[in-house]
Order: sequence, then C-alpha cells, then structure tokens
Amino acid sequence: SQTIHQWPATLVQPVGSPLSLECTVEGTSNPNLYWYRQAAGRGLQLLFYSVGIGQISSEVPQNLSASRPQDRQFILSSKKLLLSDSGFYLCAWSRGAQETQYFGPGTRLLVL
Amino acid sequence: KQEVTQIPAALSVPEGENLVLNCSFTDSAIYNLQWFRQDPGKGLTSLLLIQSSQREQTSGRLNASLDKSSGRSTLYIAASQPGDSATYLCAVTSGGYQKVTFGTGTKLQVIP
Repeated sequence: SQTIHQWPATLVQPVGSPLSLECTVEGTSNPNLYWYRQAAGRGLQLLFYSVGIGQISSEVPQNLSASRPQDRQFILSSKKLLLSDSGFYLCAWSRGAQETQYFGPGTRLLVL
Repeated sequence: KQEVTQIPAALSVPEGENLVLNCSFTDSAIYNLQWFRQDPGKGLTSLLLIQSSQREQTSGRLNASLDKSSGRSTLYIAASQPGDSATYLCAVTSGGYQKVTFGTGTKLQVIP
C-alpha cells in the first residue's frame, strides 16, 4: 500500500529564517506530487505541482519554492520566511491528473 | 478562473439526521470533482471521487452527485454520527493539466 509522510509535524520559525519541509511517498512510482497551503480562515490553495523529477510548476507567485530531487521526494523551501507564510502545509500525491489525490498529515508552520 | 463555493459554511445537526452539503463551481469543463474530509489540525482524507462522465458515487453512508452542466455537486450523509463531525471540502480539477481548486469548506458538527 502507498503511504505519504511529511515532516516536521509542527515548526516555529522567526521571520527571515530559511525553511525546508519534506514530503516523501512510499509504495508507488512516478507519482504526481502537490504542495498546498491552508492559511488561517482561508481555503486550501495549490502552491506547486510536479509530474516528474525536476519538473515543478508554480500556481501562485510567492516567497516559496519547490524541488523534486528524487521520484518520491518533494521539498518546499524558502530562503527568508515572512509572517504571511504561516499556515498549514499539505503534501499530496496522485497517480495522474484525473486520479484521486491522497494527502499527508501536514505541517503546521508558525512564523513569528 | 475556476471558483468553488460551498454552502453552508457551518452546519450543526442532531445525531441520526440525514444532511446535504452543497458545492458549486463556475467552470463546468471539469475533469473530476472530489469530496474530502478534514479533521482539526490534520490532513485531508479523500471520501469520494466523481469523474466528469459520472453522475454519482457512493461509499457507505455517503453519496455524492455531480451535475456538471449546472456546476453543482452535493454530498449526502445518511444517519449522521458524532464521528462525522469535521470540515468537508470539495475540489474540482479543471482547466490546465493539474489545476485543482478547493472550496472553503463546510464545518459540520453532529450533536449526540
């Protein structure tokens, strides 16, 4: 069976510090991978998606970047965090664009 | 630009009642529609996926319908239980290859 992991579960970081959130998927190959953010009082927003190693598409301009160094690894990064980066970050995978998306447990980020 | 709206934003019902959650979307050219459940501070759990060619999907006490032409979907929950308390999100895949748009959710509370 497939599983998706995210870490850390929670993170408190000062403004201006770097960020690295990791997501890994097990039990499948060549998945589509996604990063979402859920800000307080707002809906879920797609940030990045990837259809393969090194292939990243950004949905919204922002202070964040994503990378996919391995087939089942998806990393969300920032060089300098902003207060507005606080939120709940979810990673998801699917077998294809028209397939069910499966979500990880999420990372709660608080930028102070 | 696809927009997804969910009504009501919050709903409180007594245990055992049948209920309907609504989702509407502005662009009817969708690939699929998915219903998710989100428990506080946790990731998303996929409940039902309806492909654009389908009219409904059922899983246990859940039934989701899709009327693509009118841009609407409903999630029917039969014989509600306190364990059903959560936020329910609908999401549509449309437009570009990977574009997924989420609604803001309906927060359901089932009172014992």
